[in-house]
Amino acid sequence: KAGVTQTPRYLIKTRGQQVTLSCSPISGHRSVSWYQQTPGQGLQFLFEYFSETQRNKGNFPGRFSGRQFSNSRSEMNVSTLELGDSALYLCASSYSGGYQETQYFGPGTRLLVL
Amino acid sequence: KQEVTQIPAALSVPEGENLVLNCSFTDSAIYNLQWFRQDPGKGLTSLLLIQSSQREQTSGRLNASLDKSSGRSTLYIAASQPGDSATYLCAVCLISNFGNEKLTFGTGTRLTIIP
Repeated sequence: KAGVTQTPRYLIKTRGQQVTLSCSPISGHRSVSWYQQTPGQGLQFLFEYFSETQRNKGNFPGRFSGRQFSNSRSEMNVSTLELGDSALYLCASSYSGGYQETQYFGPGTRLLVL
Repeated sequence: KQEVTQIPAALSVPEGENLVLNCSFTDSAIYNLQWFRQDPGKGLTSLLLIQSSQREQTSGRLNASLDKSSGRSTLYIAASQPGDSATYLCAVCLISNFGNEKLTFGTGTRLTIIP
């Protein structure tokens, strides 16, 4: 079974631009979560989608948004990029997102904002 | 607010030694705790998941323990190998403000096994 895939793997943007990242979960998984990882803040939860609905969200500004499609693929969008948005963005999938399940992580998208 | 701490931030040990990584959390009302490893520039790989009702979990050379009352977990690695070199993160799962589960990660311990 193929793992979680994320595209693109690397991205360079300039301040003020917007960016869209994509995540394809493991086949059959319906829950997709997004995380931001930076050296200073570590791994922080962004939001979780299940069956095309945002079910949970972390403490990030409204510039960070996401969506999920009917095939469970998910995208996250960051508008008006800031230097501090430079980070590794990870997505994780699980069957239902329940607390008893293991989350499977993708390799991440490394975003550099100049 | 749940805080998860991992000490030390970095650890180097000679190959073959047994070692223990530590994780502490402030809110004991957790559902479970997971240990992950992250290789440089890559995503996370789940190693062990301990439910709140369990005391420990084992997988091969890895053993993770959980003491909810004291807010602590340890990851024991036996007979360390150079391939164990990675950053190890613990994450606790608890109910979020929205009534759903979320993971809160520690800052990680960067482990280097010296051949």
